[in-house]
Amino acid sequence: DAKTTQPPSMDCAEGRAANLPCNHSTISGNEYVYWYRQIHSQGPQYIIHGLKNNETNEMASLIITEDRKSSTLILPHATLRDTAVYYCIVSLTNTGNQFYFGTGTSLTVIP
Amino acid sequence: EAGVVQSPRYKIIEKKQPVAFWCNPISGHNTLYWYRQNLGQGPELLIRYENEEAVDDSQLPKDRFSAERLKGVDSTLKIQPAELGDSAVYLCASLGRGTEAFFGQGTRLTVV
Repeated sequence: DAKTTQPPSMDCAEGRAANLPCNHSTISGNEYVYWYRQIHSQGPQYIIHGLKNNETNEMASLIITEDRKSSTLILPHATLRDTAVYYCIVSLTNTGNQFYFGTGTSLTVIP
Repeated sequence: EAGVVQSPRYKIIEKKQPVAFWCNPISGHNTLYWYRQNLGQGPELLIRYENEEAVDDSQLPKDRFSAERLKGVDSTLKIQPAELGDSAVYLCASLGRGTEAFFGQGTRLTVV
């Protein structure tokens, strides 16, 4: 069962930062936070993951609160191609081989 | 490098008929997943393989669904007989030694 809570939808202006929140209040100490996104009619695509520290890659930044009960995915300069459903997932392993999707956040980037 | 390949891309069948989906994971990936995604919902895990062994099939409706991965490479998911409620997108994903699972484009099944 999914162990995360996300807002069902969000809008963001093109060129602005998109901040997508996720609550995972029951996360255990050895569970990782993963983010995937799914563009219409495609399979989900990995974005980023982390355990305790904030992480950044070429796609996004992941900010995890100190108590690890919530996190925020940041797309620094949203483009129209970032319009997608974003899934926050907690996984027991660093390899992500045990993860379950929730309903995600539908992000619409507005021109 | 080729990604995860699924076929067919689309399938329309009448209820009570059998249907099969095929998945070719990324070469060298030992972990393979089948997910079902209903409209407006997130993907739901059906089964996970580690090589040829099904290590998590708790969500697979075993009365009509079956899956196999005989040589630990390709996998087939079968539904027999199909019901109207089985209409969904069936996604396959594979995972190697890294931390990123790769998904195929999915097979969109319509049962009429």
